[in-house]
Amino acid sequence: SQTIHQWPATLVQPVGSPLSLECTVEGTSNPNLYWYRQAAGRGLQLLFYSVGIGQISSEVPQNLSASRPQDRQFILSSKKLLLSDSGFYLCAWSVWGSSYNEQFFGPGTRLTVL
Amino acid sequence: AQKVTQAQTEISVVEKEDVTLDCVYETRDTTYYLFWYKQPPSGELVFLIRRNSFDEQNEISGRYSWNFQKSTSSFNFTITASQVVDSAVYFCALSEGETSGSRLTFGEGTQLTVNP
Repeated sequence: SQTIHQWPATLVQPVGSPLSLECTVEGTSNPNLYWYRQAAGRGLQLLFYSVGIGQISSEVPQNLSASRPQDRQFILSSKKLLLSDSGFYLCAWSVWGSSYNEQFFGPGTRLTVL
Repeated sequence: AQKVTQAQTEISVVEKEDVTLDCVYETRDTTYYLFWYKQPPSGELVFLIRRNSFDEQNEISGRYSWNFQKSTSSFNFTITASQVVDSAVYFCALSEGETSGSRLTFGEGTQLTVNP
């Protein structure tokens, strides 16, 4: 069966510090991968998605970036965090080539920028 | 552009009551998919159901049921005999077309609180 991991689970960082969040998927090949942010309200904002290694699509302009160095690894980064980057970050995957597009989510990383 | 509206921000019920969560969507595509997810206090989103635009049959899974009506662009979710463990934020989502990797558009979510 497929599983998705995220780490760290929680993170407290000062403003201006760098960020690296990691997401890995097991049990499937060539998944579509997604990064979402959920701010203090409840809505989910899609940040990035990837349909293959090295292929990253950005949904919103921001000081975040994403990379996919391996088939089942997706990394969210920032060179300098802002207060507004605080939130709950969720990674998700879906089956490549499937039109259904149901996404399966990881446990999330709760980021607090002070 | 696609849009999902969950007009109910918060709902509070007493255990064993039935509760319906509303979802209204907008899309120009004739082929699309609708989803419901549950987000318990732990934070992880749990996939509940997928429905495609060509299948308007209602679905029942235990205490959960879903009513899909294309005529009103709605995909409502009913929990029968609610339990405290049903307390969570519930999201409705929409995916357009047949392209792999298509984005999900989420509603803002409905916070359901089931009181003992």
